Amino acid sequence: VQLVESGGGLVQPGKSLKLSCSASGFTFSSYGMHWIRQAPGKGLDWVAYISSSSGTVYADAVKGRFTISRDNAKNTLYLQLNSLKSEDTAIYYCARSAVYYGLSGYWGQGVMVTVSS
Amino acid sequence: DVVMTQTPVSLSVSLGGQVSISCRSSQSLVHNNGNTYLSWYLQKPGQSPQLLIYKVSNRFSGISDRFSGSGSGTDFTLKISRVEPDDLGVYYCGQGTQYPYTFGAGTKLELK
Repeated sequence: VQLVESGGGLVQPGKSLKLSCSASGFTFSSYGMHWIRQAPGKGLDWVAYISSSSGTVYADAVKGRFTISRDNAKNTLYLQLNSLKSEDTAIYYCARSAVYYGLSGYWGQGVMVTVSS
Repeated sequence: DVVMTQTPVSLSVSLGGQVSISCRSSQSLVHNNGNTYLSWYLQKPGQSPQLLIYKVSNRFSGISDRFSGSGSGTDFTLKISRVEPDDLGVYYCGQGTQYPYTFGAGTKLELK
């Protein structure tokens, strides 16, 4: 199992960014997927979930601004980040869901998003 | 939201020693399906978190039996025996019973 995030970078407040998570080594379409973030020097903060059938759940802090999506043909998970705020600055990890609930042991290496003018 | 409270914030240990980390949730983590989705993670500097224990007491693939998890309902414990240098880092508990998933603030394990 391998998960590789990309798309991070420096972005101004109010702007947008789209993160990608490329998956391999498992049947991507069969699993739910999560995004979790970690602000510099801080703890883990769950962001969003998408089920295998594309149902979604969001943390209140990002609801209405972030959109999680997936392309099973490309084995890729996405996170569209809009109306970015300085408090969104963090490393963003994608992670595979466990079989029913919870997070599995398969996480990506993370991608840094810095929101600053 | 379920609040996860971890104690202590930091812990000093001698190599070969044993430590325990406590995690308490503000609500029961027993899911309607009867399972308890409480996990433990270790994050080493510059790395993503690695899963150690899932569903309270199940070791993830490749995890040493020096790591053990216990507890029920709202009170959980991670024990690490015969501590090795590679065990150092920040430990997090996390719940996956209800959305939003939440994590404890972390416990930093350092060498004495």
